[in-house]
Amino acid sequence: GNSVTQMEGPVTLSEEAFLTINCTYTATGYPSLFWYVQYPGEGLQLLLKATKADDKGSNKGFEATYRKETTSFHLEKGSVQVSDSAVYFCATPTDTGGFKTIFGAGTRLFVKA
Amino acid sequence: DAGVTQSPTHLIKTRGQHVTLRCSPISGHKSVSWYQQVLGQGPQFIFQYYEKEERGRGNFPDRFSARQFPNYSSELNVNALLLGDSALYLCASSLLQGANSPLHFGNGTRLTVT
Repeated sequence: GNSVTQMEGPVTLSEEAFLTINCTYTATGYPSLFWYVQYPGEGLQLLLKATKADDKGSNKGFEATYRKETTSFHLEKGSVQVSDSAVYFCATPTDTGGFKTIFGAGTRLFVKA
Repeated sequence: DAGVTQSPTHLIKTRGQHVTLRCSPISGHKSVSWYQQVLGQGPQFIFQYYEKEERGRGNFPDRFSARQFPNYSSELNVNALLLGDSALYLCASSLLQGANSPLHFGNGTRLTVT
């Protein structure tokens, strides 16, 4: 089945720094790709998604482009804020038409003021 | 509209006991999934229900069971609890049954087994 691998954390940045969190996928076909964010003490929230190759998902200043050439879906933000401190998960369906979403191990981001 | 609600928020049980976790999906969502999240890891799929039928099951022992009710709410049951069952249990609802449909998560139930 499909799978995702994301960079290990934690990632520590100063406020207004540029953020990249790497995610690569292995898949049959072109499944949807997702980034979810988990703030302390909460469940996961959908941050952005891309449903086909070359799509760019964006939300709250975050962006990720579905790149089939490099099988990647890296998360980027031009200027992080302290409030972006959270754990970020890359995710994809395990197979086309399936009911199961598989998540990466998560990357914890700390942003210092 | 209210989001996904889960109850209880925290629970402490002893080994061998049984636990029932509850979930109410977003209004209009007919699909409910359950995930287990161990500290420091990503969520692991346990079950998905759609229209009251089990549509998918993860690699969990038979001690784990679930059901979905006519109002689309759901229960997750775990029997004969083990220390390793300590985790955050997340419920997620989605509008469509396929995994290409984004998941909307509740805040989870933190289960501690002593």
